[in-house]
Amino acid sequence: DIQMTQSPSSVSASVGDRVTITCRASQDVSTWLAWYQQKTGKAPKLLIYAASSLQSGVPSRFSGSGSGTDFTLTISSLQPEDFATYYCQQANRYPYTFGQGTKLEIK
Amino acid sequence: QVQLQESGPGLVKSSGTLSLTCVVSGGSISSSNWWSWVRQPPGKGLEWIGEIYHSGDTNYTPSLKSRVTISVDKSKNVFSLKLTSVTAADTAMYFCARVWARGMDEWGQGTLVTVS
Repeated sequence: DIQMTQSPSSVSASVGDRVTITCRASQDVSTWLAWYQQKTGKAPKLLIYAASSLQSGVPSRFSGSGSGTDFTLTISSLQPEDFATYYCQQANRYPYTFGQGTKLEIK
Repeated sequence: QVQLQESGPGLVKSSGTLSLTCVVSGGSISSSNWWSWVRQPPGKGLEWIGEIYHSGDTNYTPSLKSRVTISVDKSKNVFSLKLTSVTAADTAMYFCARVWARGMDEWGQGTLVTVS
């Protein structure tokens, strides 16, 4: 299985801050990488697919980049509703696998 | 807009079989999408279980493959999950989701299954 490692595991930030979360794959996943946001008690929400494509309806402050084994999710200016847990997921090879999650907390 | 809704028993006895159904509304399960199951143990991360296409083709995660069956009923626009020989380690929130562009773009609200 392809292992997905996110860093940091948690981060504290303030409204208006720029935040970057990284995701590293244990082998090349090309650009088959998705990012999700999950709030407590809710289903995950797709933010980014194919490493850098913004899902319809997702604010433009979210962006994704990377290819191969190294990827980033950037939130350009944090809003109160962005405090949540974020997961990356590779879809290049079965089984699909997720990172362990990054919890974004209010400073 | 496509909506997904999981249903099934919230409590399953240890060594028994977990059975869940996902109803797809607002769209056809025979569209060009795969349909997935994902689970999340309490307080932990996400685990992909497997997926199915309307043709019946499936892919499963190896760690569960011997115990999992995902099936589809096109006439009812539903797909289902069966997990046999369950233990406490299978206690989790179970989500169904639509696969699109190799991401999962529509999700059910999830259903908590406890193994006792």
